[in-house]
Amino acid sequence: GQQLNQSPQSMFIQEGEDVSMNCTSSSIFNTWLWYKQDPGEGPVLLIALYKAGELTSNGRLTAQFGITRKDSFLNISASIPSDVGIYFCAGLSNYGQNFVFGPGTRLSVLP
Amino acid sequence: DGGITQSPKYLFRKEGQNVTLSCEQNLNHDAMYWYRQDPGQGLRLIYYSQIVNDFQKGDIAEGYSVSREKKESFPLTVTSAQKNPTAFYLCASSTFDRAGGYTFGSGTRLTVV
Repeated sequence: GQQLNQSPQSMFIQEGEDVSMNCTSSSIFNTWLWYKQDPGEGPVLLIALYKAGELTSNGRLTAQFGITRKDSFLNISASIPSDVGIYFCAGLSNYGQNFVFGPGTRLSVLP
Repeated sequence: DGGITQSPKYLFRKEGQNVTLSCEQNLNHDAMYWYRQDPGQGLRLIYYSQIVNDFQKGDIAEGYSVSREKKESFPLTVTSAQKNPTAFYLCASSTFDRAGGYTFGSGTRLTVV
């Protein structure tokens, strides 16, 4: 079946640093989503991408839909303590009935 | 405000008992989903429903059952047949075409003792 890989699995950064993470697959997707999950809560949608090459920002967050349609990237600039959480990517293919979720990247921000 | 509500937030049950988790949405979404999340793990799909009175098994449906009698509601029953039911359960909803992705509830943490 379709699978998504996310890297890194976890990361520890200093407050103020920029963060990059990615999501890759062997399958082609037509929609990419990025979610953030705070501890003990449900994931919240950050950014949705619908077109290959698309670059979309939401405040300090920027995400890109890879040209090959097999990957997506999320960048966070000038990290702050409330950026702590798990970041999930999700992809939807033409023939997929449901979004496929990656295993997540766990972000820790050190003061 | 529209949203999706899961209740209760925390649930404790004895081994061998069935338990039902509630999920209600007022977003007028056609589709609803149940996911299971184990510590440090991603989301695994249990069941989903695209229209009222119809639902499909996900990747880990064994030991679970659902119903979809109303558009707004998609309760999940964790039966005694589920071997390892302790987990965090997430409900989500979407439009039929899934444009805009899924909206998630805040989850129910089930602990079986």
